Amino acid sequence: GPKVLQIPSHQIIDMGQMVTLNCDPVSNHLYFYWYKQILGQQMEFLVNFYNGKVMEKSKLFKDQFSVERPDGSYFTLKIQPTALEDSAVYFCASSPRWGQDTQYFGPGTRLLVL
Amino acid sequence: GDSVTQTEGQVALSEEDFLTIHCNYSASGYPALFWYVQYPGEGPQFLFRASRDKEKGSSRGFEATYNKEATSFHLQKASVQESDSAVYYCALIGRPSGSWQLIFGSGTQLTVMP
Repeated sequence: GPKVLQIPSHQIIDMGQMVTLNCDPVSNHLYFYWYKQILGQQMEFLVNFYNGKVMEKSKLFKDQFSVERPDGSYFTLKIQPTALEDSAVYFCASSPRWGQDTQYFGPGTRLLVL
Repeated sequence: GDSVTQTEGQVALSEEDFLTIHCNYSASGYPALFWYVQYPGEGPQFLFRASRDKEKGSSRGFEATYNKEATSFHLQKASVQESDSAVYYCALIGRPSGSWQLIFGSGTQLTVMP
């Protein structure tokens, strides 16, 4: 199936530092998403993004979070500053169209904040 | 708000057993319903979807039928294999706050013993 790539696969960082998670979505997809999964818990929606803008963000998308996709390069999630509760697996997803279209996921970035 | 309930947290079977994982949803209208499978260390992989009442989705021997009256989308497979061991997520696409997002169930860990 369609492939979404995520870099890095693992990241360990000290609390208060900045981290950037990178996502390479499926090439012809236009809509991008970030989800968060804390170990042993449900996957939860963070944000979706289209045409350079955030369309919707959940209450989990704190002020310290930001997303962008400059000039068609990686779709990034930046956390600045990080907090202990940001430790989780972050999954990027993309879909070709809006609405009830199928979303395809990357393998995730495992973030540990110490 | 929109939600998905998976009643089985863990299922343990032997090879060639019949599998059922129950999924019920709560949402208005006709949300698209999905099954995803997640192997250790990977992101959720799209298995199949259904978008209207009585539609059957299927892939790799797994199947589920959209039942609007019962608000269900139960996953079944006639004969499981050890390689089917993974976490299975039922999901729907809803607009709980105006924007389309995947809403996941809590997941079911399937373990198939040889």
